[in-house]
Amino acid sequence: GAVVSQHPSRVICKSGTSVKIECRSLDFQATTMFWYRQFPKQSLMLMATSNEGSKATYEQGVEKDKFLINHASLTLSTLTVTSAHPEDSSFYICSARDTDSYYEQYFGPGTRLTVT
Amino acid sequence: GQQLNQSPQSMFIQEGEDVSMNCTSSSIFNTWLWYKQDPGEGPVLLIALYKAGELTSNGRLTAQFGITRKDSFLNISASIPSDVGIYFCAGSSDSNYQLIWGAGTKLIIKP
Repeated sequence: GAVVSQHPSRVICKSGTSVKIECRSLDFQATTMFWYRQFPKQSLMLMATSNEGSKATYEQGVEKDKFLINHASLTLSTLTVTSAHPEDSSFYICSARDTDSYYEQYFGPGTRLTVT
Repeated sequence: GQQLNQSPQSMFIQEGEDVSMNCTSSSIFNTWLWYKQDPGEGPVLLIALYKAGELTSNGRLTAQFGITRKDSFLNISASIPSDVGIYFCAGSSDSNYQLIWGAGTKLIIKP
C-alpha cells in the first residue's frame, strides 16, 4: 500500500519551455501533497504544500508564478515549471499524505529535470 | 525557525556491524519519521514514531522517540550491503503536516 507514482522520471527540455510533472497516489486518497526539490548530496527542500481543491502554499523564496501547482483531485497533483532555465535543473520529488493517516508522507520516485 | 541536527554525516562500516544515528531538534516535535533514500529515488518511509519514549522496530531497524520530544535515534543491527544509502530523519508538530528534515546520514559499507 501507500504507492505514489511520478511522471516523467526524466525530462530534458530547452530553456524557455514549460514542463509538467504529475504526482499520483495510486492506492490511497491524499488531501495533502508536497513538492520538494533536492540538489546533489543535500536534503530535501520543501517548495510548496498542495491541498486538494485549494491554492498551494509556497515556501519563502519559491516563485509561485514559475512553479505552478494544481491539486485537482484526491489522487493527482501537478507541478508545472514555466519558462524553464538551466538553474531550474534539479531532482523534483512529490510526496502524498494519506487522508486517513497522521504525518506520514509517501514519496514518488522523483523527476530528474535537465534544462539545456 | 526549527532546526534538525542529524549525525553522523556519514558512516563507513563493515558488513555485519551495528549502526546508530540520531537527530536532535531545537524544539519539540509531535512526530519523528525515519526515511531511507537510494540514489536517484524518492525516500522510503522506514519507521514512524508518535509518542515520547516510543521504541519501534521494523526488522533489523529500531527507532526511538526521545523522552524530551527533541530527539530520536535509529539503529540498524547486523548491517548488510543493501543497507547502503542515505538515511533522513524528519520531524513535525505542524498543523499543515509539513516535515522538518535532517541533512541525512550516508551509510557506506566497506568491502
